Amino acid sequence: AQSVTQPDIHITVSEGASLELRCNYSYGATPYLFWYVQSPGQGLQLLLKYFSGDTLVQGIKGFEAEFKRSQSSFNLRKPSVHWSDAAEYFCAVERASNYQLIWGAGTKLIIKP
Amino acid sequence: GAGVSQSPRYKVAKRGQDVALRCDPISGHVSLFWYQQALGQGPEFLTYFQNEAQLDKSGLPSDRFFAERPEGSVSTLKIQRTQQEDSAVYLCASSLGSGTSGRTDTQYFGPGTRLTVL
Repeated sequence: AQSVTQPDIHITVSEGASLELRCNYSYGATPYLFWYVQSPGQGLQLLLKYFSGDTLVQGIKGFEAEFKRSQSSFNLRKPSVHWSDAAEYFCAVERASNYQLIWGAGTKLIIKP
Repeated sequence: GAGVSQSPRYKVAKRGQDVALRCDPISGHVSLFWYQQALGQGPEFLTYFQNEAQLDKSGLPSDRFFAERPEGSVSTLKIQRTQQEDSAVYLCASSLGSGTSGRTDTQYFGPGTRLTVL
């Protein structure tokens, strides 16, 4: 069965430091992968998505993600975080049979001043 | 407003009460989705509408859950005889197209309704 694992429940990073959030998926075919961000009081917002082609995907707010088929991973990165990046981040994979998204449990990002 | 709105933002219900949660999608969006997000978890799909037609309700956990979108715009998720396990954030999302692959059709989410059943 398809699944998404985000191994880190919380991550604390200093402002200005680099960030990497991990996402591992289980899927038989080429996955369609997504990263969303959920800020307090806000709806989920799409950061970026991967379908095919270049394995390094650029998204909004300076985020990027790299698809690595050999590791079944789709990790999210940002070179330098800002206090406004504090939020919860969700990775998701699309189920091909009915286009439903299967979501990870999320990683809460905490920014230290 | 320009985004998806949901009301109420917070709802407290006593066990056994009926509740109704409202979603106002982005104007003109064809597709509408409801999700349930338990504490510390990612969203889980409940149901999907294309205009007024409910095309997929496979995620509704029981027959106490009912959703409608009678005019193809505003949608209501109704939960009858609420139970404590229904406590969660209920998310609504809409998309411009027919709600197939996220490859071509981005879902826009509302802020959610936090339901607490006592």
